[in-house]
Amino acid sequence: AQSVTQLDSQVPVFEEAPVELRCNYSSSVSVYLFWYVQYPNQGLQLLLKYLSGSTLVKGINGFEAEFNKSQTSFHLRKPSVHISDTAEYFCAVSDYGSGNTGKLIFGQGTTLQVKP
Amino acid sequence: NAGVMQNPRHLVRRRGQEARLRCSPMKGHSHVYWYRQLPEEGLKFMVYLQKENIIDESGMPKERFSAEFPKEGPSILRIQQVVRGDSAAYFCASSPGNRQETQYFGPGTRLLVL
Repeated sequence: AQSVTQLDSQVPVFEEAPVELRCNYSSSVSVYLFWYVQYPNQGLQLLLKYLSGSTLVKGINGFEAEFNKSQTSFHLRKPSVHISDTAEYFCAVSDYGSGNTGKLIFGQGTTLQVKP
Repeated sequence: NAGVMQNPRHLVRRRGQEARLRCSPMKGHSHVYWYRQLPEEGLKFMVYLQKENIIDESGMPKERFSAEFPKEGPSILRIQQVVRGDSAAYFCASSPGNRQETQYFGPGTRLLVL
């Protein structure tokens, strides 16, 4: 069975500082990896995804993530955060084995709190 | 192109009543996923449907919950005889169908059971 672990439930950071949100997964098959952002009382918006190819993936709003197969990690980074980045961030996986239905398995979420 | 629409956005029910949650996928999308987000938790997969077919319902509670996606009209998630533990945010996502495709999420329906 697949699982996703987001190692930090809350990450406080000052504006313009760099940030890393950690995500580890476990799966017996190859996976697709995703990061979504959720603003208060809204749905989820895709930040970026890894399907194949380059392990460094660039997304919207200046975010990027690096897929590390040996460490089964997909950490999200941004070199300089803004107040507007304050939100809940979810890491998710989807396997692409035969019979896969594309359902997403989510981590518990990490609350990014950007302080002025 | 309108995004995924869900209604109602907020729903209050008393214990024992029925809740019906609706999801209209993005235009051109024929695949719908339902997820539930309990307070202070991440999203959990419930069910995956294509038009007129339930493909994967492995995340659905065995009793009281059902889902459909008719040929015409929105997808419906139905909860019978609601209990307080059903209070959660219910999100629908749609995709064109390819397993690599991004799932686009609606704004969610927040169900409160009194």
